[in-house]
Amino acid sequence: GAVVSQHPSRVICKSGTSVKIECRSLDFQATTMFWYRQFPKQSLMLMATSNEGSKATYEQGVEKDKFLINHASLTLSTLTVTSAHPEDSSFYICSATGGRGLTGELFFGEGSRLTVL
Amino acid sequence: AQTVTQSQPEMSVQEAETVTLSCTYDTSESNYYLFWYKQPPSRQMILVIRQEAYKQQNATENRFSVNFQKAAKSFSLKISDSQLGDTAMYFCAFTDQGAQKLVFGQGTRLTINP
Repeated sequence: GAVVSQHPSRVICKSGTSVKIECRSLDFQATTMFWYRQFPKQSLMLMATSNEGSKATYEQGVEKDKFLINHASLTLSTLTVTSAHPEDSSFYICSATGGRGLTGELFFGEGSRLTVL
Repeated sequence: AQTVTQSQPEMSVQEAETVTLSCTYDTSESNYYLFWYKQPPSRQMILVIRQEAYKQQNATENRFSVNFQKAAKSFSLKISDSQLGDTAMYFCAFTDQGAQKLVFGQGTRLTINP
């Protein structure tokens, strides 16, 4: 099956710094990528939807200036947590789909655990 | 807005038993897709099974099958001959064709005991 890779899998940073998480589709062109956030023992909450070459669409309540999403190519989307604070500590998961959208299949990355000290 | 509800936060069964996880959803759409995802301790999301709403036949994948009741907006997952490796969080998810994004339920933590 298709593979989606996230990097880094774990990152620890100091409060006030910015952190970038990459999401790559390794063997298919991902026209749409999704970024989710998961708190411990909770469900996945969609943060934003990004389409290649256009601005991301953020879900209600998600600060677009805090969570910068770039989808510059058909195989790469990045999530940058700017001026991170301890409350941003969470597990971030990306998913990607090809041109047929979710009538095809959605592939998930391995997730990235962010800890802000 | 679509919502997905999993009313069983935790379940536990013995190995080889059959277990059913419940899921209900709310939507005004007629065409949509339902999924069950498994999230083991590694946190990697794994697709277990999917169901297209326009198909009346319940989906099956080896030991996994669903009971899709469209009128009742119910989508339960049955795991037969459960195995230790089935221990994981299970999430029910919904999407309609237009939104192209998944709405997840709260999850059910399933433990298979030896």
